[in-house]
Amino acid sequence: KQEVTQIPAALSVPEGENLVLNCSFTDSAIYNLQWFRQDPGKGLTSLLLIQSSQREQTSGRLNASLDKSSGRSTLYIAASQPGDSATYLCALSSGGYQKVTFGTGTKLQVIP
Amino acid sequence: NAGVTQTPKFRILKIGQSMTLQCTQDMNHNYMYWYRQDPGMGLKLIYYSVGAGITDKGEVPNGYNVSRSTTEDFPLRLELAAPSQTSVYFCASIRTSGASYNEQFFGPGTRLTVL
Repeated sequence: KQEVTQIPAALSVPEGENLVLNCSFTDSAIYNLQWFRQDPGKGLTSLLLIQSSQREQTSGRLNASLDKSSGRSTLYIAASQPGDSATYLCALSSGGYQKVTFGTGTKLQVIP
Repeated sequence: NAGVTQTPKFRILKIGQSMTLQCTQDMNHNYMYWYRQDPGMGLKLIYYSVGAGITDKGEVPNGYNVSRSTTEDFPLRLELAAPSQTSVYFCASIRTSGASYNEQFFGPGTRLTVL
């Protein structure tokens, strides 16, 4: 059974700092990995999608990497801003479209 | 495109009542999903559908039912609501073609409280 862990559960950083969020998984046989952002009381917004054959994806100040051999993905946020404050979730798709496993998320607070 | 829409946004039910959570997507996605999210927990899959007329159970299906008569709509039915069903419910669909295949799109959620 795929298990997805996100550590730390919460993170507080000063504005402008570069930071890395971690996502670990136990089964490397994945189709893809997706990073989401969730604002309080809101739905999930897709940030980046990495297919199994890819190593990383970039969008603006965000960069996500995937290392299947070590069972890890990282989300790098450059020059953090208060507007980046949210919960960040990773989700892995494996064993078919119905097999999506979510991590419990990292709650990020960027302090002005 | 409106994407994935859900109604209602909030609902309070009494124990034993029933209701239907509505979900519609206008992206012509075949795959649709219902998740629940409990505080401090990850999302858990309730039911999913791979196309009109085809549905299957996910990880936590007990107490719920679904139907999929059209590509666009995927309603979730709660029968005999229980306090354990207090949660936030998310509907999602997956793009299954193009460069971003497997990308999930989520609705804004329905916050349900059972008292």
